[in-house]
Amino acid sequence: QQPVQSPQAVILREGEDAVINCSSSKALYSVHWYRQKHGEAPVFLMILLKGGEQKGHEKISASFNEKKQQSSLYLTASQLSYSGTYFCGTETGTYKYIFGTGTRLKVLA
Amino acid sequence: NAGVTQTPKFQVLKTGQSMTLQCAQDMNHNSMYWYRQDPGMGLRLIYYSASEGTTDKGEVPNGYNVSRLNKREFSLRLESAAPSQTSVYFCASSEAVVVSGGADTQYFGPGTRLTVL
Repeated sequence: QQPVQSPQAVILREGEDAVINCSSSKALYSVHWYRQKHGEAPVFLMILLKGGEQKGHEKISASFNEKKQQSSLYLTASQLSYSGTYFCGTETGTYKYIFGTGTRLKVLA
Repeated sequence: NAGVTQTPKFQVLKTGQSMTLQCAQDMNHNSMYWYRQDPGMGLRLIYYSASEGTTDKGEVPNGYNVSRLNKREFSLRLESAAPSQTSVYFCASSEAVVVSGGADTQYFGPGTRLTVL
């Protein structure tokens, strides 16, 4: 089953904050977050591992609740460049990735 | 470094035709993946190759075959294309084998837009 993302879409003004949630029905080894701009390939944002380790290289934070099988992505002080579709990808076994349906984010000037 | 490259970028097929999508990476990654993305939907894993010489099915393998030609190249073949296979196909790669979970970052290619008439 695909992880469920919420909200499905969100519109922000520059400088506003947003939270995107990802919920899975299966036990998770890790959660990945990607951003995809229209007509382009997905780009890695962050990996969250069991035990709390995070690996990422952008100014975006996230949390991973292993017990609840949920992750949240926090976008603070949004910029125009944050616009795109955000996907969570959940790892339920080695090399077993299932991506969510995505959250469309639009940041307005 | 080119990263992950895919050919062709666009392709139109008639039902029943066959074709091979090519993917290559120059990052010395062990693992490679093929995904499809349908309009308004997320990525679905078709096949993956954990390491050179191995391949395994993902979520939606029916109608596809793959070949891990060497460490750099991973091809996807449609033997008899169907309209349901109209999609954007992404190839991806990741670095190391991780045994205990916590998979590595995936790097995606630019995609192949396939239309089957």
